[in-house]
Amino acid sequence: GAGVSQTPSNKVTEKGKYVELRCDPISGHTALYWYRQSLGQGPEFLIYFQGTGAADDSGLPNDRFFAVRPEGSVSTLKIQRTERGDSAVYLCASSQQGSNIQYFGAGTRLSVL
Amino acid sequence: EDQVTQSPEALRLQEGESSSLNCSYTVSGLRGLFWYRQDPGKGPEFLFTLYSAGEEKEKERLKATLTKKESFLHITAPKPEDSATYLCAVQAGSGGSNYKLTFGKGTLLTVNP
Repeated sequence: GAGVSQTPSNKVTEKGKYVELRCDPISGHTALYWYRQSLGQGPEFLIYFQGTGAADDSGLPNDRFFAVRPEGSVSTLKIQRTERGDSAVYLCASSQQGSNIQYFGAGTRLSVL
Repeated sequence: EDQVTQSPEALRLQEGESSSLNCSYTVSGLRGLFWYRQDPGKGPEFLFTLYSAGEEKEKERLKATLTKKESFLHITAPKPEDSATYLCAVQAGSGGSNYKLTFGKGTLLTVNP
């Protein structure tokens, strides 16, 4: 029962490679958010899904970043041609309909060598 | 643009020594102000939501207050297990939908036994 589940917990990749990060939200939660947290900083918003559609993707830094949520539950954040500056913890959060409280997963620590 | 500034960046207390953390914010149409706790290697854990100036909420040794420009997280007689990073975030917008959180950088609290 759980809370928000993110896999993998750690991902090491080489510059230029493609990566996928997965988020499994709390069951029944309709809203899903992705954030990125660099060392010593607070989380920064990337994208927000309401159901299957991206309601706000204004935080995605560039077109190398893309996210999907095809069935309105699990979401995948995809990063193409990774760069060393993409290294950070990627956090996922979800909330239920009618509530603005977001519950976070433990994150995926991405290291680009 | 929504902005959140937290102070101090770091705070070291002796067990039992009460203190307060500050969160100053500017936002267009505050929907809610949030406090989260984050332990090393973990995602943010929800503590409180405040919605209007004058509101206060308490949980064990923590009490959060809100004015039109800032929020305080008061810690009474802290224990070593209260050591963590405390994050403040604001949520703006209206219309009944869920919206992104804008976070501060956090305050790293260390409570020594």
